[in-house]
Amino acid sequence: NAGVTQTPKFQVLKTGQSMTLQCAQDMNHEYMSWYRQDPGMGLRLIHYSVGAGITDQGEVPNGYNVSRSTTEDFPLRLLSAAPSQTSVYFCASSRGTAKSSYNEQFFGPGTRLTVL
Amino acid sequence: GDSVTQMEGPVTLSEEAFLTINCTYTATGYPSLFWYVQYPGEGLQLLLKATKADDKGSNKGFEATYRKETTSFHLEKGSVQVSDSAVYFCALSDQPSGTYKYIFGTGTRLKVLA
Repeated sequence: NAGVTQTPKFQVLKTGQSMTLQCAQDMNHEYMSWYRQDPGMGLRLIHYSVGAGITDQGEVPNGYNVSRSTTEDFPLRLLSAAPSQTSVYFCASSRGTAKSSYNEQFFGPGTRLTVL
Repeated sequence: GDSVTQMEGPVTLSEEAFLTINCTYTATGYPSLFWYVQYPGEGLQLLLKATKADDKGSNKGFEATYRKETTSFHLEKGSVQVSDSAVYFCALSDQPSGTYKYIFGTGTRLKVLA
């Protein structure tokens, strides 16, 4: 099992550019999520999905879109990058469904994004 | 709303010292509690977890007990090693009003000196 994979590892964008951060898992997990990690703020939830075709907003969704067409993939789209989106982005997955709140999350290695 | 508060770092210890990282939480439901560890340049890994009151999670010499009466989940290790240097995150998962929530603390950086 590769676990949770993310691409790219590093990315530099100019303000206004768009891009997609890729996330895939091979564990047949129902729950997937995207977080951003900023100094002194821990991890903040951007969007999450409890299954294919179902997504919902987290704590900081503005400026980001997601879709979940398959169980395996959960891409995060930045529509028009802003310097405030400079951060490290982590994708995570877990076995749990919306009614299973105790399952551990498995994290990808992260994408370090800089917006100039 | 739900929240997790953990002690600020960095925490600097000598090898073989005793470690405590404090974590307290607020939750509307009956959450499960976790400690995650993040080594430099990597994603988070689950260190231990507890799903109900008085449960003790343990792994790699680390322990934490779910204390419902004090809403706490403090992380402890009796003798730290240089290889324990990392950032530690306390987290909870809860499902108030049917919405799945997974909330992290801000992280505590631990540095262990040889």
